[in-house]
Amino acid sequence: DVKVTQSSRYLVKRTGEKVFLECVQDMDHENMFWYRQDPGLGLRLIYFSYDVKMKEKGDIPEGYSVSREKKERFSLILESASTNQTSMYLCASSPTGTWGSPLHFGNGTRLTVT
Amino acid sequence: QKEVEQNSGPLSVPEGAIASLNCTYSDRGSQSFFWYRQYSGKSPELIMFIYSNGDKEDGRFTAQLNKASQYVSLLIRDSQPSDSATYLCAQGGTGRRALTFGSGTRLQVQP
Repeated sequence: DVKVTQSSRYLVKRTGEKVFLECVQDMDHENMFWYRQDPGLGLRLIYFSYDVKMKEKGDIPEGYSVSREKKERFSLILESASTNQTSMYLCASSPTGTWGSPLHFGNGTRLTVT
Repeated sequence: QKEVEQNSGPLSVPEGAIASLNCTYSDRGSQSFFWYRQYSGKSPELIMFIYSNGDKEDGRFTAQLNKASQYVSLLIRDSQPSDSATYLCAQGGTGRRALTFGSGTRLQVQP
C-alpha cells in the first residue's frame, strides 16, 4: 500500500511565522502535490512537483513556496503565515505515466494561524 | 464556471437504497475521472476511477461516464450508514498531472 506521511496532524502558528509542512511518500512516485481544502471550496492545488528540484505552480500559489530536494520528500513553506492560510493541507503523490493517475493522499495537516 | 461541478447536498437516502451522485465537467479534454470518499476530518480515499465511456462496476459501486454529455456519476447500491461521507469527483488528463476536484457531495444514509 502507498503510504504518504505528513509530519504534523495539527499545527498552530502565529501570524508572520515561517511555517514548514513536510510530506514523505514511500512508493517512489515521481509526482507530489500540495492541496488545501476549505469548506465550500473543495480541494485547490497549491503546487506540485514532477521530479526532484522541479516544481510547478498550481491554482493558488500566492504566499507559498515548495521544496523537493529528494524524490520521497515534498515540503510546503508558508513564508509569512497569515490568518487566511488557516486550512486543511493535504499532500498527495502519484506515479508518472498517463495523465491523470490516481492521487494517494496523506492524513492531512490542519493548520491554524492566529 | 467551475471546471468540475457537484451538488453539495446533503443527499439523503434510506439504508438499502441506491445512492446516485453526479458530477459535470467543462473540459472536453479530460481523459480520466475519479471518485473519492472523504469522512469528516479524514483525507480523501480513492473509490473508483474510469477512463472510458460506459459503466465500470466494483462491488456495490458503479461509475458511469458519458463524455458526450460531460458528466460522470457514481451509484452506490445497498447503501449503508457507513457510506455516509462526502464524495469528491475529480478529473484528470487535461495536460497536467494534478487532478481538478469538485467541491463534493455530502451523502447521508439513514438507518
